[in-house]
Amino acid sequence: NAGVTQTPKFQVLKTGQSMTLQCAQDMNHEYMSWYRQDPGMGLRLIHYSVGAGITDQGEVPNGYNVSRSTTEDFPLRLLSAAPSQTSVYFCASSYGRPEVNEQFFGPGTRLTVL
Amino acid sequence: GENVEQHPSTLSVQEGDSAVIKCTYSDSASNYFPWYKQELGKRPQLIIDIRSNVGEKKDQRIAVTLNKTAKHFSLHITETQPEDSAVYFCAAGGVAGGGADGLTFGKGTHLIIQP
Repeated sequence: NAGVTQTPKFQVLKTGQSMTLQCAQDMNHEYMSWYRQDPGMGLRLIHYSVGAGITDQGEVPNGYNVSRSTTEDFPLRLLSAAPSQTSVYFCASSYGRPEVNEQFFGPGTRLTVL
Repeated sequence: GENVEQHPSTLSVQEGDSAVIKCTYSDSASNYFPWYKQELGKRPQLIIDIRSNVGEKKDQRIAVTLNKTAKHFSLHITETQPEDSAVYFCAAGGVAGGGADGLTFGKGTHLIIQP
């Protein structure tokens, strides 16, 4: 089991560029989510999915899109990158809802927007 | 939605002493309270969790207590060791409807173990 994997590990973008952060899990987890982590701010939920074909917004969804075409993959798209999106992004998954089941985090993607 | 406050933001203790980190939450509907440890440059990892039907849970040197009436929960680490140095996050979840689903995290406590 690879667990939760994320690519790339590091990325530098210019303002206005778009990109997709990849997340995959091989644990057959139904629930997947994306968080961003900023210094002194903890982890804030961006988007989440309770299963293939179902996504919903979290606390800070603006500027990000997600889709869930398969159980395994949950990509996060930045449509037009802004310096305010400089952050460390973590993908997480759990067998069911994270308030009932342990959430497993990926290794993170460190994104810098210039 | 849920709001989680965590204190202190930085905690320095001597090796072998105990450390206590405290969190408060706002929504009485929350019923799941995990604690995560994050070492520098690494991913958060669950170290212990507690559900609202119990008041205390222990796992070796780590314990968590929950006071639902006061809406606060605490992490206790005894006999601290250098490898306990990390950032610790509390979280609260289980809110049905209203605000974002999933977990709401505190802002973290940087625990420093002094040799």
